[in-house]
Amino acid sequence: DAGITQSPRHKVTETGTPVTLRCHQTENHRYMYWYRQDPGHGLRLIHYSYGVKDTDKGEVSDGYSVSRSKTEDFLLTLESATSSQTSVYFCAISESSGNEKLFFGSGTQLSVL
Amino acid sequence: KNEVEQSPQNLTAQEGEFITINCSYSVGISALHWLQQHPGGGIVSLFMLSSGKKKHGRLIATINIQEKHSSLHITASHPRDSAVYICAVVSSGSRLTFGEGTQLTVNP
Repeated sequence: DAGITQSPRHKVTETGTPVTLRCHQTENHRYMYWYRQDPGHGLRLIHYSYGVKDTDKGEVSDGYSVSRSKTEDFLLTLESATSSQTSVYFCAISESSGNEKLFFGSGTQLSVL
Repeated sequence: KNEVEQSPQNLTAQEGEFITINCSYSVGISALHWLQQHPGGGIVSLFMLSSGKKKHGRLIATINIQEKHSSLHITASHPRDSAVYICAVVSSGSRLTFGEGTQLTVNP
């Protein structure tokens, strides 16, 4: 199994509070992704990174920011959480872009009350 | 209309049956992924293919680029195959678009 760890696994927070989710990999893969999974939707890309300090927006990036200061860590921050951001968040990694095998973290269940 | 459509949305089978899950897409792609999401939520990659067919154990994935269609087959299905199966396509700019998934339940 690929070495990819998400933390926390579960979080409950209140509307308006900042939240940071962490994705840590030990595979030295260049690409890292944050997705959210909601009923009635496929996985949707929030942000992705193609290298240290190199990030770009996905299709549902509003209200989220990311940072990648080291190859192994990719942080997702909700600056001011809203109830619409209640979701399951998945981190994924790949050696290069989408034409390489993807490895997923175990997911983070986030509830914003 | 979604760029990636999976059918059926839900599938119930008896142990031992041959299973087919379909994925149709509407954009030009460079590759297609099949993923499996376990009841506990974890997601694993089953196949990545850009042409033809791939086989791994009881799983077979095929793709027809001209018809914009892929199928995932499971032979001799088993209750442990119960999971959500997700198709994802890689289109321009290496963008990944995911289907909503097919919930498979295999009864003993």
